[in-house]
Amino acid sequence: QKEVEQDPGPLSVPEGAIVSLNCTYSNSAFQYFMWYRQYSRKGPELLMYTYSSGNKEDGRFTAQVDKSSKYISLFIRDSQPSDSATYLCAMRLEGSYKLIFGSGTRLLVRP
Amino acid sequence: ETGVTQSPTHLIKTRGQQVTLRCSSQSGHNTVSWYQQALGQGPQFIFQYYREEENGRGNFPPRFSGLQFPNYSSELNVNALELDDSALYLCASSETGSSIQYFGAGTRLSVL
Repeated sequence: QKEVEQDPGPLSVPEGAIVSLNCTYSNSAFQYFMWYRQYSRKGPELLMYTYSSGNKEDGRFTAQVDKSSKYISLFIRDSQPSDSATYLCAMRLEGSYKLIFGSGTRLLVRP
Repeated sequence: ETGVTQSPTHLIKTRGQQVTLRCSSQSGHNTVSWYQQALGQGPQFIFQYYREEENGRGNFPPRFSGLQFPNYSSELNVNALELDDSALYLCASSETGSSIQYFGAGTRLSVL
């Protein structure tokens, strides 16, 4: 079993839809949670960063962490074709330097 | 743009050869990490360098080695290349103790 599980998709939605992306994890000691966006043939770009449980909002993006369920989510409101990319969740332990990534979910926003 | 630059962009090697990949960190960042990303997978941690020393290592064999220089730039060396080493190699820089790692665009290595 992988430490971090993520549905690979692809997830196809119409422009303007609300998108929900999710990851589950097995190690309850993870404390730092991140979402990265990766366009084709590019490096990952940090979107959201959360420490421990709770919600964080930044523009059209909202990140949620539910440590009791070991489940994190990224919501994208008013999705745009430019949001079409692969979304990677990542997490790390307190005091560690290593990011553990999910395998990524490919998102396609149709005009 | 993150300010992390990697070279070369693409590389083709044959099995058994050796390769060196290079990374220039974002200004002010003294920690660099290397990741391997196979097609359709998330990045896998190779190792991290801080103050020119290896600071931690993932589940990769010794033929994967690295260097960090006084200006915080870094190299990843892979010896005795295998077909399964074909992947996107990502460099990420960060400030000491920070969770936030900024990635370069990567070097795509193909081993034939």
